[in-house]
Amino acid sequence: AQSVTQLGSHVSVSEGALVLLRCNYSSSVPPYLFWYVQYPNQGLQLLLKYTSAATLVKGINGFEAEFKKSETSFHLTKPSAHMSDAAEYFCAVSDPGNQFYFGTGTSLTVIP
Amino acid sequence: DSGVTQTPKHLITATGQRVTLRCSPRSGDLSVYWYQQSLDQGLQFLIQYYNGEERAKGNILERFSAQQFPDLHSELNLSSLELGDSALYFCASSPTGQRVTDTQYFGPGTRLTVL
Repeated sequence: AQSVTQLGSHVSVSEGALVLLRCNYSSSVPPYLFWYVQYPNQGLQLLLKYTSAATLVKGINGFEAEFKKSETSFHLTKPSAHMSDAAEYFCAVSDPGNQFYFGTGTSLTVIP
Repeated sequence: DSGVTQTPKHLITATGQRVTLRCSPRSGDLSVYWYQQSLDQGLQFLIQYYNGEERAKGNILERFSAQQFPDLHSELNLSSLELGDSALYFCASSPTGQRVTDTQYFGPGTRLTVL
């Protein structure tokens, strides 16, 4: 069975600081991993996805994530936070059977 | 604007009732997905349809059912509603239904409140 754990339900960073949102997965088969962002009162938007190609995945809005099999992690980073990055971020895992599991989400606050 | 539309935006109903949520996918997308987002359970995948056929099933209760019509719009039917069904219900669409290679585009959601 697949599962996703997001460490830290709330993360605060200063504007311009590094953003690091943590995601660990458990999977019995090679996983497909995703990061989504949800702005207030909106649906989810795909930031990036890992599909067993390059382990460092670049996404939209300057975000990237690195797949580390040895650590079963897929942490999301951005070098410099902007105020517009304040949102809820969800890590998700999908298996070959098309089942999809989300983490509990991390709320990112950016402090001016 | 993702191009996915959902109606209604808000729905308030009573326990025991039945409601229907509607989703129109982006033009050209063949697959529709339904998700439930609640404070208790977080974000959960419910069900996926591709070109009218059920493709994958997640944590969908037996009281819930869905279908995709020939014009590719989809409806999610929720019956015998309970307080715990209060949630935000999202629809998403994608071109081919291959979750790994497709990008899913999410609608704005329908907020269901059961009183």
